Amino acid sequence: AQTVTQSQPEMSVQEAETVTLSCTYDTSESDYYLFWYKQPPSRQMILVIRQEAYKQQNATENRFSVNFQKAAKSFSLKISDSQLGDAAMYFCAYRTGGSQGNLIFGKGTKLSVKP
Amino acid sequence: ETGVTQSPTHLIKTRGQQVTLRCSSQSGHNTVSWYQQALGQGPQFIFQYYREEENGRGNFPPRFSGLQFPNYSSELNVNALELDDSALYLCASSNLRGLGQETQYFGPGTRLLVL
Repeated sequence: AQTVTQSQPEMSVQEAETVTLSCTYDTSESDYYLFWYKQPPSRQMILVIRQEAYKQQNATENRFSVNFQKAAKSFSLKISDSQLGDAAMYFCAYRTGGSQGNLIFGKGTKLSVKP
Repeated sequence: ETGVTQSPTHLIKTRGQQVTLRCSSQSGHNTVSWYQQALGQGPQFIFQYYREEENGRGNFPPRFSGLQFPNYSSELNVNALELDDSALYLCASSNLRGLGQETQYFGPGTRLLVL
């Protein structure tokens, strides 16, 4: 069975600085997808970024980028120029590549942004 | 484009009662997945509905059941409520095309408290 591990329960960053959130996963599959979701206190889970395992190029969305290391089964999220609105729980999620796929989530990392 | 909506936002029930939660999927989406998120945890997959049929189920007992309607909206029913059912219930919609490429978009959730 696939598992997702987020080893940092809490992280803190100064506004305008850069922070990296860690995620590792375990799978025997070769075709899968990885996601980072953000969950602010409003509770709604918001997609931050997505990575296809077959792509070697790391995904980037504005200030958010990932470091995808397939052999090491590592998928970290880098947030550049951190803003107060980035404060939230961040969840790493794994989805199988098959036609039916549910998301498997890590336990999350709570990110605080200091002004 | 209308996003994913859920109702009600909050709900209080007593042990042994039954509850129905509702989800309207995003326009153009044909799949709804339900997740349970206990306090301080990542979401856990309950089940998925694709074109009105169950398309996968997580490790939840049969008292958790669901429906999907022709307009792709969905219901989650929980019978014989237990205290441990207290959680945030998240609905996610996607456009499953059999290629495993879809992304799930989440609603704001329903907070259920069982007393």
